[in-house]
Amino acid sequence: GESVGLHLPTLSVQEGDNSIINCAYSNSASDYFIWYKQESGKGPQFIIDIRSNMDKRQGQRVTVLLNKTVKHLSLQIAATQPGDSAVYFCATSWGSYIPTFGRGTSLIVHP
Amino acid sequence: GAGVSQSPRYKVAKRGQDVALRCDPISGHVSLFWYQQALGQGPEFLTYFQNEAQLDKSGLPSDRFFAERPEGSVSTLKIQRTQQEDSAVYLCASSSDRVGTEAFFGQGTRLTVV
Repeated sequence: GESVGLHLPTLSVQEGDNSIINCAYSNSASDYFIWYKQESGKGPQFIIDIRSNMDKRQGQRVTVLLNKTVKHLSLQIAATQPGDSAVYFCATSWGSYIPTFGRGTSLIVHP
Repeated sequence: GAGVSQSPRYKVAKRGQDVALRCDPISGHVSLFWYQQALGQGPEFLTYFQNEAQLDKSGLPSDRFFAERPEGSVSTLKIQRTQQEDSAVYLCASSSDRVGTEAFFGQGTRLTVV
């Protein structure tokens, strides 16, 4: 079955540094990819998405990179701020676009 | 409303009790999803509606779980004869299109079965 996993369960960075959160997925049929941010006690918040016909997409301070060859997804956060501290999930979907979530990476930003 | 609203925010149920969790999606959103999130884990898919039609319920863990969306807006997730392993946060999400892109999540209902 589909598994979506993250390489690092916890990532600690200094304020102002760039952060990179990685995600591996197993289903080669996945064609839609989403990054969510979840703060304590809240539901996941949509950050950015990318479709399989792209390999890079940029938002405000965030960039998602997709490597379909090795089934790898990454989220880059520029100039990380304390407010970026949260758990980040990658989610994949295909066909019906029902997102399947990975376990999550906890990002800790030190002031 | 401005976002997806779920109620109650917290629910404590005695084992064997039935519970009903409510989700008010963003007005006009076609797609609605229910997820279950255990502590320290990612959300696990339960079921999906497109308007009032339940198109996928493959994630419901047992026949004690039932979801409905009779008028294509508000949805209710019902759990009968709750068990301790049902303790989790139940998340609802809605999306404006038929394929569930950019789904917006509610804050969830934290269910504790004692």
